[in-house]
Amino acid sequence: QVQLVQSGAEVKKPGSSVKVSCRASGGTFSNYAISWVRQAPGQGLEWMGGIIPIFGTPNYAQKFQGRVTITADESTNTAYMEVSSLRSDDTAVYYCARVVRAVDYYHYMDIWGKGTTVTVSS
Amino acid sequence: DIVMTQSPDSLAVSVGEWATINCKSSQSVLDSSNNKNYLAWYQQKPGQPPKLLIYWASTRESGVSDRFSGSGSGTDFTLTISSLQAEDVAVYYCQQYYTTPQGTFGQGTKVEIK
Repeated sequence: QVQLVQSGAEVKKPGSSVKVSCRASGGTFSNYAISWVRQAPGQGLEWMGGIIPIFGTPNYAQKFQGRVTITADESTNTAYMEVSSLRSDDTAVYYCARVVRAVDYYHYMDIWGKGTTVTVSS
Repeated sequence: DIVMTQSPDSLAVSVGEWATINCKSSQSVLDSSNNKNYLAWYQQKPGQPPKLLIYWASTRESGVSDRFSGSGSGTDFTLTISSLQAEDVAVYYCQQYYTTPQGTFGQGTKVEIK
């Protein structure tokens, strides 16, 4: 059974960057997309962006365009998300999720990582 | 953007009773070419990631209890939990994936035991 293994918690200063990884254990990304979803404390779920690793081109929510970079390494079945110019309101749990797709059409998210807590504080 | 609105924001149900959560989209998520509703439901327990329960509005994910069922079409959808159990305490989210790649989530509905 595929699991998504995310990197550990991070504490960052405002203005810095953070890079979170998501590795597929027990399987590959081949036929799927990977989305990144964040959840601020006590809040709901917010889609940030995604990538279809075999195509390589990321997509971003307009809100995060220019500040978030999503990449994927097919050779290691690992996806990455980097957020730059961190602010206190970026404090959240960041999840990666495997997305069932049809060609380049994203469908539902069937497997989720456990989440990476990113705390932005001076 | 399609806006997803869930109701109620929270509900308390006695063990063994039914729980019903509604989800309304600001525009139809039904693809008439394949007659599929691009709507999923997720369950999130405290301290855990979301878990897929239902996709295509009514298809239960493998391994999910048959106490969970999804219904609806177009813009109005319902998640029903029959015979609520203590382990069903969670926040439930609907998500449309009609607009790709950015599927939007509802605000969530918190289910508690009365």
